Amino acid sequence: DVKVTQSSRYLVKRTGEKVFLECVQDMDHENMFWYRQDPGLGLRLIYFSYDVKMKEKGDIPEGYSVSREKKERFSLILESASTNQTSMYLCASRTGRYEKLFFGSGTQLSVL
Amino acid sequence: KNQVEQSPQSLIILEGKNCTLQCNYTVSPFSNLRWYKQDTGRGPVSLTIMTFSENTKSNGRYTATLDADTKQSSLHITASQLSDSASYICVVTTQGGKLIFGQGTELSVKP
Repeated sequence: DVKVTQSSRYLVKRTGEKVFLECVQDMDHENMFWYRQDPGLGLRLIYFSYDVKMKEKGDIPEGYSVSREKKERFSLILESASTNQTSMYLCASRTGRYEKLFFGSGTQLSVL
Repeated sequence: KNQVEQSPQSLIILEGKNCTLQCNYTVSPFSNLRWYKQDTGRGPVSLTIMTFSENTKSNGRYTATLDADTKQSSLHITASQLSDSASYICVVTTQGGKLIFGQGTELSVKP
């Protein structure tokens, strides 16, 4: 069965900390995405990657960076966490541009 | 501007009743439209895909429709169950592969 695994379900961090969110997919998918989901705002795209070592900014990249050193792993980095980055973070992957997304279960991040 | 609007924002129905969720889009050029179901605390899961030439597609008790002329889609749920309580998200893919998300409809099915 297809699987997208996010390393943590819940995380609590302090303002100014560097935060790493890890995502691993076992489907050999080319495309991987990071979204954040906030009540009333829906899913917003932070960064995406169409291939290893490639990355593209999404709609809200400020305060975030990403790394894709291996095809199966896509990491989201909060360089200096702030309270307005408290959110649900969802990782997703797909095999091609018109295919469906497979999502991880999400990481609920709280920045205090 | 590419946009996807869903209505209603939230909906409460009794178990066993039917309901219809709406999705209007202004996305061009259009490739396909998907409905996703997101259970509380989980990631969204794809329910159906509609391409330009398709009008209706069913997946069990879920039936999606697409009117490409009016740029509207609906998701009809028949004989609702408690497990249908979830957020339903309409997502349009452009021909370039970009994904445009609606804000979702929160459905609550009560016993």
